[in-house]
Amino acid sequence: AAGVIQSPRHLIKEKRETATLKCYPIPRHDTVYWYQQGPGQDPQFLISFYEKMQSDKGSIPDRFSAQQFSDYHSELNMSSLELGDSALYFCASSSRDRVYFGAGTRLSVL
Amino acid sequence: AQKVTQAQTEISVVEKEDVTLDCVYETRDTTYYLFWYKQPPSGELVFLIRRNSFDEQNEISGRYSWNFQKSTSSFNFTITASQVVDSAVYFCALSELNFGNEKLTFGTGTRLTIIP
Repeated sequence: AAGVIQSPRHLIKEKRETATLKCYPIPRHDTVYWYQQGPGQDPQFLISFYEKMQSDKGSIPDRFSAQQFSDYHSELNMSSLELGDSALYFCASSSRDRVYFGAGTRLSVL
Repeated sequence: AQKVTQAQTEISVVEKEDVTLDCVYETRDTTYYLFWYKQPPSGELVFLIRRNSFDEQNEISGRYSWNFQKSTSSFNFTITASQVVDSAVYFCALSELNFGNEKLTFGTGTRLTIIP
């Protein structure tokens, strides 16, 4: 069965650079979520989209933005990267029965 | 506000022992979902179970079982006859029963190490 696809799996950036993370939800899933998991931390909700509209927002920095496109894929854009942005970024999609997570993108900011 | 507490930061048991991971939650919602996820060293989040607040039946899946007690706001997870492959960080999580927005509030996780 198709799963949530995230790309890239690993990303190395330098401070003040920009990064774009992509997420392809499971087909026919109408909600996409982004989470950030710092080293040794639990995943923290950033933002979600329902039918391509932003549905909720968590503790997402102003330097970050996200959108969901007409084909339902979503992108998380991060600008002016800081060392503290180094984390595992998860995308998830949901249907009526459960929330499915992608394998994550590991971002390292040097 | 929702909160999930996993008081056990780390647990180590010898292989084949049973182990229970505790999860206590707080929510003002009368309807909600509870989840358990496994995060192995490779980093992905593996779904284990989702339980809605209407259903207090305990559930068993192979070596895994879950005990949901609404009266004590707990959703504990037991692994029977543990194996080395069970070594991982386990997260308990809570979401509103809100169609189109099931954002999860995670506990801080319990790192389980199974000693061969």
